Amino acid sequence: NAGVTQTPKFQVLKTGQSMTLQCAQDMNHEYMSWYRQDPGMGLRLIHYSVGAGITDQGEVPNGYNVSRSTTEDFPLRLLSAAPSQTSVYFCASSYSNSGANVLTFGAGSRLTVL
Amino acid sequence: GQSLEQPSEVTAVEGAIVQINCTYQTSGFYGLSWYQQHDGGAPTFLSYNGLDGLEETGRFSSFLSRSDSYGYLLLQELQMKDSASYFCAVRSGGYNKLIFGAGTRLAVHP
Repeated sequence: NAGVTQTPKFQVLKTGQSMTLQCAQDMNHEYMSWYRQDPGMGLRLIHYSVGAGITDQGEVPNGYNVSRSTTEDFPLRLLSAAPSQTSVYFCASSYSNSGANVLTFGAGSRLTVL
Repeated sequence: GQSLEQPSEVTAVEGAIVQINCTYQTSGFYGLSWYQQHDGGAPTFLSYNGLDGLEETGRFSSFLSRSDSYGYLLLQELQMKDSASYFCAVRSGGYNKLIFGAGTRLAVHP
């Protein structure tokens, strides 16, 4: 049981480049989300999805796109990377209404934009 | 919108008890959660309070007062391995769309 798997673990981009952070879960969770974590700012919600074909914006969605074509996968796309997007990105998933607000997080993807 | 406030840093010694407070503002309340994150690691779920009162899980307890929009995480018999960041979080609307506080960094010293 792999849980939530994120790839890549580390990535360096140049300003203006595009890339996709991958997230896959094998727990049949309906809900998936992406957070970014910056020093002193905790975890900020970028986008989330409540099921295949359904996505919505979180607190800081600008500069990021998502799609959810399957229950298992929830990729995060940066169309034109900016230095302000240097951060650690976490994908998380859960059952839709787990009651106890339990999210399972991936190990994170550290992105540096030069 | 939602906002959460918690202290940025707390220091304690091994064997002691420490309390990490969290105050929140939210439109609609669906419970207060706590997560632990070690340096370089992923956040992991610790505790949840949906109703007022104390929830205990081993050395960790969490308390909620909905009338005061306040909760805390209590860590007893502190160990070096408890050195980590602790985040409180509230659910924003349906599903598990969680909004997190900025985190409290706990340093446990011998």
